[in-house]
This record gives sequence, structure tokens and C-alpha cells, in this order.
Amino acid sequence: NAGVTQTPKFRVLKTGQSMTLLCAQDMNHEYMYWYRQDPGMGLRLIHYSVGEGTTAKGEVPDGYNVSRLKKQNFLLGLESAAPSQTSVYFCASSRSGQRSQPQHFGDGTRLSIL
Amino acid sequence: DAKTTQPNSMESNEEEPVHLPCNHSTISGTDYIHWYRQLPSQGPEYVIHGLTSNVNNRMASLAIAEDRKSSTLILHRATLRDAAVYYCIREAPGTYKYIFGTGTRLKVLA
Repeated sequence: NAGVTQTPKFRVLKTGQSMTLLCAQDMNHEYMYWYRQDPGMGLRLIHYSVGEGTTAKGEVPDGYNVSRLKKQNFLLGLESAAPSQTSVYFCASSRSGQRSQPQHFGDGTRLSIL
Repeated sequence: DAKTTQPNSMESNEEEPVHLPCNHSTISGTDYIHWYRQLPSQGPEYVIHGLTSNVNNRMASLAIAEDRKSSTLILHRATLRDAAVYYCIREAPGTYKYIFGTGTRLKVLA
């Protein structure tokens, strides 16, 4: 059982380039999330999805787009990368429910923008 | 602005209890309190969560103040594998949004 898998694990981009980060979960979870973590800080929510075909903005959505075409996958796109987007990106998933459910995180994608 | 504050770092001796504090003085009456921990080069790992009353699980205990303005994560017997950054997190119900604190780096001494 792999849980939450993120690809790639590392990437270096030049300013202005575009790329897509892939998150896949095999737990049949309804909810999925993208966070970024900057040095010495906690995670901040970029976008999230409560089901296939739906997405919503989080705390820091500017400069990012997302898509959830399949339940098990959540894609994060950078259309024109900027140095301020250098960060570690984490994907997470959770079950739905009336009571709060734990989030399961992947091991992150380390992205550097030169 | 919703905010949680935690000490930057703490130390504990192996096999002794550890109490990790969190201040969330602006918490609303329905926000959940979560604790996660993060090992180097890994994603956060769920530890425990609660709403009003104290909670226990196999990993830890969570003590929530009666006014809910603070909480304490209790590791009953620290091991070297418990060395990590511990995050106190608020979640407003139905928002699916975690608001992370800055975290406490726990060092466990052998």
C-alpha cells in the first residue's frame, strides 16, 4: 500500500518555465490537498479538492493551477515559474466525513526556481 | 488573524515524558486541534486530534484547556524515534483547511 505518491521528488526550473507536479493516492480518498513549505515554517494550503472534477483555492493560490480529473490524482501546475515559488511541495489526502479526518501526506517535491 | 504559537525547540531525555505546548488564544468554539509531526525529508505524520475533551491514542495524549485557548501534546515515554518537528494545527470545521503553527523541534537525548 503506497499511500500518497508524489512525482517528481526533485526538480530545478528556470524562471518562466512551466511544469506539473503529480500526486497519486491509492486509498480511495475523496479529499486531496496541495501545500507548500518554506524554510522554518509550517505548511500553507495552496489548493484543495473535495471530489473528482472539483477544486478550490486555499491560503496561497496565486501562480498555481490544479486539476482533479480522476479521483486518485491531483495535479499542481506552475504556468510561469518564479523564484518565489522555490519551496517544498506536499500533497495530502483524506476521507470525507462529518467529523474531522486525518490527512495523509506524501514525502514532498523539492522545487528550485533559478 | 488566526494564529497558533509554539516554542521553537525543546529537549527531553529518552524514556521520560514530554509535554509540548501550543497557544491558540483566538480559536473559535468549533475549530479542531490537530497535532502532526515531521521527520527530516518526509511529509507530516498524523499524531492526534481533538475538539474539547482530552484524547488518548497509542502514540500520545492531547490535553485541551477548559477555555480551549491552549493545548498540550503529551508523549508518555520519549524515544529517539520521536525526535521530529511537532506542529499544532487548527482546522475550522467544514473548511478542509489546516492552519499550521510554526512547529516545535523536539530533540531526544539518549
